[in-house]
Amino acid sequence: KNEVEQSPQNLTAQEGEFITINCSYSVGISALHWLQQHPGGGIVSLFMLSSGKKKHGRLIATINIQEKHSSLHITASHPRDSAVYICAVGFGGSQGNLIFGKGTKLSVKP
Amino acid sequence: NAGVTQTPKFRVLKTGQSMTLLCAQDMNHEYMYWYRQDPGMGLRLIHYSVGEGTTAKGEVPDGYNVSRLKKQNFLLGLESAAPSQTSVYFCASSWGEVQPQHFGDGTRLSIL
Repeated sequence: KNEVEQSPQNLTAQEGEFITINCSYSVGISALHWLQQHPGGGIVSLFMLSSGKKKHGRLIATINIQEKHSSLHITASHPRDSAVYICAVGFGGSQGNLIFGKGTKLSVKP
Repeated sequence: NAGVTQTPKFRVLKTGQSMTLLCAQDMNHEYMYWYRQDPGMGLRLIHYSVGEGTTAKGEVPDGYNVSRLKKQNFLLGLESAAPSQTSVYFCASSWGEVQPQHFGDGTRLSIL
């Protein structure tokens, strides 16, 4: 069974800091997803990646398939980045079913 | 651009009552999913559909039923609500198996 572990569970940062959130999984996957859940509850897909690195604005996601590990980086963090960041993995033949991590709650202080 | 719309946003039920949650998407997506989110746990899949007229069980299907009579709609039913079904329910949709999922805003359901 594929397990998805995120670290840290909670993270407090000062505005402007560089932030890293980690995700590890236990078996081979077809793709890894990073999601953001706003304080109001809505969930938005940030990235889907199966290799290498993707960048969108101040957000960077990387994945190391051999080590079964992914990181989400936020550069020049801002209070509006405060949210829960969720890692999820999908695997071939799963018909889109994802296994979700428990999330990392990020709070960025001004 | 509505995306994925869930109805209702909030509901309080008494034990034993029934209700249906509606999910509607306007992106012509084939795949649709129902999840529940509970404190301290990751999202868990209840049921999913890979196309109109198809449904399948996810990780936690007991106590729920679903229907996908139209491609754009995915209904989640609780026949006899139990307090253990108090949760936040999310619907999502995607183009295909390895594609990003688009989520609704969630339905907060409390069962007394």
